[in-house]
Amino acid sequence: DVKVTQSSRYLVKRTGEKVFLECVQDMDHENMFWYRQDPGLGLRLIYFSYDVKMKEKGDIPEGYSVSREKKERFSLILESASTNQTSMYLCASSHGGLLGWSTEAFFGQGTRLTVV
Amino acid sequence: GEDVEQSLFLSVREGDSSVINCTYTDSSSTYLYWYKQEPGAGLQLLTYIFSNMDMKQDQRLTVLLNKKDKHLSLRIADTQTGDSAIYFCAEANAGNNRKLIWGLGTSLAVNP
Repeated sequence: DVKVTQSSRYLVKRTGEKVFLECVQDMDHENMFWYRQDPGLGLRLIYFSYDVKMKEKGDIPEGYSVSREKKERFSLILESASTNQTSMYLCASSHGGLLGWSTEAFFGQGTRLTVV
Repeated sequence: GEDVEQSLFLSVREGDSSVINCTYTDSSSTYLYWYKQEPGAGLQLLTYIFSNMDMKQDQRLTVLLNKKDKHLSLRIADTQTGDSAIYFCAEANAGNNRKLIWGLGTSLAVNP
């Protein structure tokens, strides 16, 4: 079974803290994604990566950065957490590459981040 | 840009059929998906359909695609309380294949 694991289910951080959300997948997928999910706003793409050390901005990258030093790990960084970043964060991965791409994205269980 | 729309809420009685609808704007959509999110969990793929298909059936699930009207529906037969979840419609196309375009999700409530 494909597994996408997010390091924490629940996290509480203070305003101004630097926050790291970690995601690891075990299926050698090329593509990895970070979304945030808020009531009434659905899923919004923050950043994605299609290869090691590669990253592309999604729809709402402001206030976030990412790191992909190894293929299996994709980290989301909140440089200085703010209360409007309180949300559910979802990591996903999918197969991709020069020869084609998978029709399925696999999701982690989510990290509910509260910034106080 | 591309957009995917779906109604936010649906309530059905246990044993009835549920139909969740979705419309999309991207005329070059290649794949259309239905994902399910149970409370407190991530999303999991329920089913998908290629744009050259009209219908796909998988046990209690039936997906209908009207490409002319850009309308996708998911029918769940004999809906059970365990089907209570949020259902997301999403689309992708060959030109933008690394990203899915998501609807806001339909919250399905199944009443005993």
